[in-house]
Amino acid sequence: QSVLTQPPSASGTPGQRVTISCSGSSSNIGTNIVNWYQQLPGTAPKLLIYSTNHRPSGVPDRFSGSKSGTSASLAISGLQSEDEADYCCAAWDDSLFGYVFGPGTRVTVL
Amino acid sequence: QVQLVQSGAEVKKPGASVKVSCKASGYTFTSYYVHWVRQAPGQGLEWMGIMRPSGGTTMYARKFQGRVAVTMDTSTSTVYMELSSLRSEDTAVYYCAREFPQSYSFDYWGQGTLVTVSS
Repeated sequence: QSVLTQPPSASGTPGQRVTISCSGSSSNIGTNIVNWYQQLPGTAPKLLIYSTNHRPSGVPDRFSGSKSGTSASLAISGLQSEDEADYCCAAWDDSLFGYVFGPGTRVTVL
Repeated sequence: QVQLVQSGAEVKKPGASVKVSCKASGYTFTSYYVHWVRQAPGQGLEWMGIMRPSGGTTMYARKFQGRVAVTMDTSTSTVYMELSSLRSEDTAVYYCAREFPQSYSFDYWGQGTLVTVSS
């Protein structure tokens, strides 16, 4: 059972905006930065958002991250077919003294 | 360019140990932490531990303490992860990943190594 919780799936049509939530607690999201990863089937994860709301070089600006209290969100605006993938959140947990990942949300482009 | 290249797939019997390597190139090896993360079939990512090459210190997830050991060879810029007392639940793809400084975010990943534990 993951310390961070995410919806198992999300979907949208091309061009739509999709938001993925990540719920945690005061020992992880509440006090630490959040990172988001994108994983295409059969490939290694790719860093999508770091330090809660920063994009690495090369990540389109239609991906954005935010945080409020013990929850974080990833938004994909202008959804494209190549965005069909698994997305997971991650943060350091001060109680577990370890890095924790969410279970992942599969995004489907209808 | 930054690359993390891992060793090949392994098949092990329950109770055995496995050692996976991760060879880094394209950056100053001692300047970045390297983490190990695994992913069981159809499951999410699970953090295992970290190697800090500058001082050679390590830290492990509580779940794996006593069963995992991360080591390094600075002469070859390689980090190793050894997992012992393998059981079927350890069947997974094991990844090494470089940490973007002071961010707990992993900006470069190895290609993954499938470890299958089966009798």
